Amino acid sequence: GDSVTQMEGPVTLSEEAFLTINCTYTATGYPSLFWYVQYPGEGLQLLLKATKADDKGSNKGFEATYRKETTSFHLEKGSVQVSDSAVYFCALSDELTGGGNKLTFGTGTQLKVEL
Amino acid sequence: DAGVIQSPRHEVTEMGQEVTLRCKPISGHNSLFWYRQTMMRGLELLIYFNNNVPIDDSGMPEDRFSAKMPNASFSTLKIQPSEPRDSAVYFCATGGQGAITNTEAFFGQGTRLTVV
Repeated sequence: GDSVTQMEGPVTLSEEAFLTINCTYTATGYPSLFWYVQYPGEGLQLLLKATKADDKGSNKGFEATYRKETTSFHLEKGSVQVSDSAVYFCALSDELTGGGNKLTFGTGTQLKVEL
Repeated sequence: DAGVIQSPRHEVTEMGQEVTLRCKPISGHNSLFWYRQTMMRGLELLIYFNNNVPIDDSGMPEDRFSAKMPNASFSTLKIQPSEPRDSAVYFCATGGQGAITNTEAFFGQGTRLTVV
């Protein structure tokens, strides 16, 4: 079945540091890939997405490129801020034979950004 | 659109009591997911529906858990009887169908359940 593997946290960085959170996936079809972010006490929010190979999703300075050859979708940001502290989830969405889409999430990576 | 609406936001109940969590999906969304989030196990998919029909409930932990979607605008997750280990945040999420670009999930704010 489908699965998503992402690096364990917590990841602790100083403000303005470069961020990479690794994510790899396995899927039988041609999934869409997503990064979701969860701020403390809130639900998950879509951060960015990519729907086909070589697409780059970007939002709020974050970006990730859909790499089919390495089955990866690593999240990057050039300069993190304290306000980026949150839990980040990598996910894939694959269409079902019977209709609908199933979402599969990774375990989440907690990011802590310090001054 | 108000987004995915879950109620209640917080629920504290005694062990053995029945608990019902409610979800109103975004209008027009065909897929609905119930997730449970805990510190120990992270985000777990419990069950998902497509066009009001349960597709996969293999994530439902025990027979004490049941979920229904009687129509396109309402779903419930019921725990009967509840136990302290059911304490978690329960999220409902919904998504569209068909167009590849519309496969993202929209999450509600969750229901924080505490069973004492």
